[in-house]
Amino acid sequence: KAGVTQTPRYLIKTRGQQVTLSCSPISGHRSVSWYQQTPGQGLQFLFEYFSETQRNKGNFPGRFSGRQFSNSRSEMNVSTLELGDSALYLCASSEGATNTGELFFGEGSRLTVL
Amino acid sequence: SQKIEQNSEALNIQEGKTATLTCNYTNYSPAYLQWYRQDPGRGPVFLLLIRENEKEKRKERLKVTFDTTLKQSLFHITASQPADSATYLCALQMDTGRRALTFGSGTRLQVQP
Repeated sequence: KAGVTQTPRYLIKTRGQQVTLSCSPISGHRSVSWYQQTPGQGLQFLFEYFSETQRNKGNFPGRFSGRQFSNSRSEMNVSTLELGDSALYLCASSEGATNTGELFFGEGSRLTVL
Repeated sequence: SQKIEQNSEALNIQEGKTATLTCNYTNYSPAYLQWYRQDPGRGPVFLLLIRENEKEKRKERLKVTFDTTLKQSLFHITASQPADSATYLCALQMDTGRRALTFGSGTRLQVQP
């Protein structure tokens, strides 16, 4: 079974631009979560989608948004980029039938904002 | 305030010894606690999950304990190997209704041959 796939793996943007990151979960997984990882703040929860609905949301500004498609693939978008948005953005999938259990993480999209 | 604390300094041990990593938390009441391993430049990999009503969980060379009174989890790797060198993250899930995990900052383990 293929793992969680995130694209792009690396990208560089400038302040004020926007960015869209993509995540393809493991086949059959209906829950997709997004996390931001920085050296200072560690791993922080952004949001979780299940069956195209946002189920949970972390404490991030409205510039961070996401969506999930009917095939469970997910995208997250960050608008009006700031220097502090530079981070590794990780997507994780799970079967989603319950709210517990392990998360399967992708390798991440490393965003650098200049 | 709410905090999750893991040893910020790296843990260096000799091959064959038992590594013990600590996860302490304050002002949280997690229903579940998970441990993940993360290698440089890679995403975290799930290792073990323990529920609030469980004291101990084992999987091969790994053992996790969970003390809700002390608000602490211990993660043990027995017969450690250089391949166990990585950063280990603990993560709390507050209740079954919320899928979001709250992660500690991680402890870097270095196993010397």
